[in-house]
Amino acid sequence: DAGVIQSPRHEVTEMGQEVTLRCKPISGHNSLFWYRQTMMRGLELLIYFNNNVPIDDSGMPEDRFSAKMPNASFSTLKIQPSEPRDSAVYFCASRLIPDKSYEQYFGPGTRLTVT
Amino acid sequence: GESVGLHLPTLSVQEGDNSIINCAYSNSASDYFIWYKQESGKGPQFIIDIRSNMDKRQGQRVTVLLNKTVKHLSLQIAATQPGDSAVYFCAEFISGSARQLTFGSGTQLTVLP
Repeated sequence: DAGVIQSPRHEVTEMGQEVTLRCKPISGHNSLFWYRQTMMRGLELLIYFNNNVPIDDSGMPEDRFSAKMPNASFSTLKIQPSEPRDSAVYFCASRLIPDKSYEQYFGPGTRLTVT
Repeated sequence: GESVGLHLPTLSVQEGDNSIINCAYSNSASDYFIWYKQESGKGPQFIIDIRSNMDKRQGQRVTVLLNKTVKHLSLQIAATQPGDSAVYFCAEFISGSARQLTFGSGTQLTVLP
């Protein structure tokens, strides 16, 4: 079975450019999460969706960040304009709700470098 | 001032020995806990979970212990292997709440040959 798919795996961009990260959750999962991981702050939840609806975006750092989920099989995280401090690994995760387990299945991540 | 990164606790064990990784969780209302393993360059991977109505749960080569009195979790890995080298995170959850998993900062486990 295909797990969570993220693209690109690596992204290098210059400050000020727009960056779009993509995620395809596991088929049948109806909850999707975006995380950011840095050495400074560890693993942080940015936003999550249930049934394509954003539920909690309190972790989104600022207005430069936006996330969408137009359908059950696709989500994007956009940064515009990007800044060097946005450099991190961004993970997407999904799960099925309701379910007896609260396990989230993580993708391989996108390593973003903003120069 | 100069910024510093997270200082991940580290644990080094000899191959074949048992490992114990500890985690202190923050919310006494948390009633579900997961241990994740993250290998270099990969996303976190589920290892084992435990609910607050249990104090011990066993999987394959792993055991999780929960002490609600002191809000402490531990992950025990039996006969540690080189493939166990990774960062291990505990995550807590309050079922029925709008918030999702809250992750700890992680412990770096290194298995020595």
